[in-house]
Amino acid sequence: DAGITQSPRHKVTETGTPVTLRCHQTENHRYMYWYRQDPGHGLRLIHYSYGVKDTDKGEVSDGYSVSRSKTEDFLLTLESATSSQTSVYFCAISGTDTYEQYFGPGTRLTVT
Amino acid sequence: GQQLNQSPQSMFIQEGEDVSMNCTSSSIFNTWLWYKQDPGEGPVLLIALYKAGELTSNGRLTAQFGITRKDSFLNISASIPSDVGIYFCAGKEGFDSNYQLIWGAGTKLIIKP
Repeated sequence: DAGITQSPRHKVTETGTPVTLRCHQTENHRYMYWYRQDPGHGLRLIHYSYGVKDTDKGEVSDGYSVSRSKTEDFLLTLESATSSQTSVYFCAISGTDTYEQYFGPGTRLTVT
Repeated sequence: GQQLNQSPQSMFIQEGEDVSMNCTSSSIFNTWLWYKQDPGEGPVLLIALYKAGELTSNGRLTAQFGITRKDSFLNISASIPSDVGIYFCAGKEGFDSNYQLIWGAGTKLIIKP
């Protein structure tokens, strides 16, 4: 199994509060991704990173920001959480010269 | 954004049955990936395909990269209860440095009672 961990695994938070999710990898892979998964929508890309301090938006980036200060860590921040951001969030990684992505175990976020 | 057309959306399976599912795209793909997701876990890569016509197996699973390069198929032979879950296809249109994938909505396998 690829060495990917996500923390926390579960979180309940109130509308309007900031939330940060962490993805940590031990594979030294260049690319890291944040997805959200909702019933009927499959996996949707929020943001991705192609190197330290290099990030770009995915298809559902509004309301989210990311940071990558080290190869192994990719943080997803909800500046002011809304109920529409209740979802399961997955981190994924991939190496150079391959499109194969490997996923973490996910974080279930509930915004009340 | 573009999404792959994955079918069927769900299917009931009886132990021992063979299962088939597919993904189609409106554009040509150069890479097809098949994943399985168990409840409460992240998707796990099953099979990766890189050439048109390629047929690749992983145990009882066989996937094919369609000749038209606009589709891919996954077959499961002699299904067992642990095959239940959601199967996703994902694809890549080119060989550029954009590493984003396009995803299907998933096929949910459910065991018949």
